[in-house]
Amino acid sequence: AQSVAQPEDQVNVAEGNPLTVKCTYSVSGNPYLFWYVQYPNRGLQFLLKYITGDNLVKGSYGFEAEFNKSQTSFHLKKPSALVSDSALYFCAVRTTYNTDKLIFGTGTRLQVFP
Amino acid sequence: NAGVTQTPKFRVLKTGQSMTLLCAQDMNHEYMYWYRQDPGMGLRLIHYSVGEGTTAKGEVPDGYNVSRLKKQNFLLGLESAAPSQTSVYFCASRHRSAYNEQFFGPGTRLTVL
Repeated sequence: AQSVAQPEDQVNVAEGNPLTVKCTYSVSGNPYLFWYVQYPNRGLQFLLKYITGDNLVKGSYGFEAEFNKSQTSFHLKKPSALVSDSALYFCAVRTTYNTDKLIFGTGTRLQVFP
Repeated sequence: NAGVTQTPKFRVLKTGQSMTLLCAQDMNHEYMYWYRQDPGMGLRLIHYSVGEGTTAKGEVPDGYNVSRLKKQNFLLGLESAAPSQTSVYFCASRHRSAYNEQFFGPGTRLTVL
């Protein structure tokens, strides 16, 4: 079965420190990988995606993610966290075998402390 | 562009009542989706549509029906609401290319008493 795992329910980080939100996947075929962010009482907003090419992908608000095929991971990173980055983050995958649907992880709550 | 809009934003139903949630998009997207979001479970796909007049079941379709009579609208119906359908419902849309990301609406918070 195809799946996405976000092993941490919550990540806490001090403002100014680097942050990482983890994501691993298990799919058949080549993955298309996405990160979304959800602020309180809002819908999901697209952050970045990996389709092909360079394994390091840069996205909105200074976020980036690294695709690692051997480890089947797509971790979200930011060099210096801001309090305003506090939100719920979702990893999602679409595969070349079924391009209609996205499979979402359960989400990781990022809390950035001043 | 308004993007993806959802109506209503909030609703409280009694068990057994029916209602329809409306999703509208002005981006000329072919694909549209309905999800529900519950604590600790992420987003689960209810139904989706790959074009006007077509719909398909997602991960959790039971108790819901959908219709896509116009390309820009995707309706989600609850014929007989149950407390287990208390959730936040999100609509999303995307261009048909597999590379494209989904755009989400602001959500509808539904409570079934």
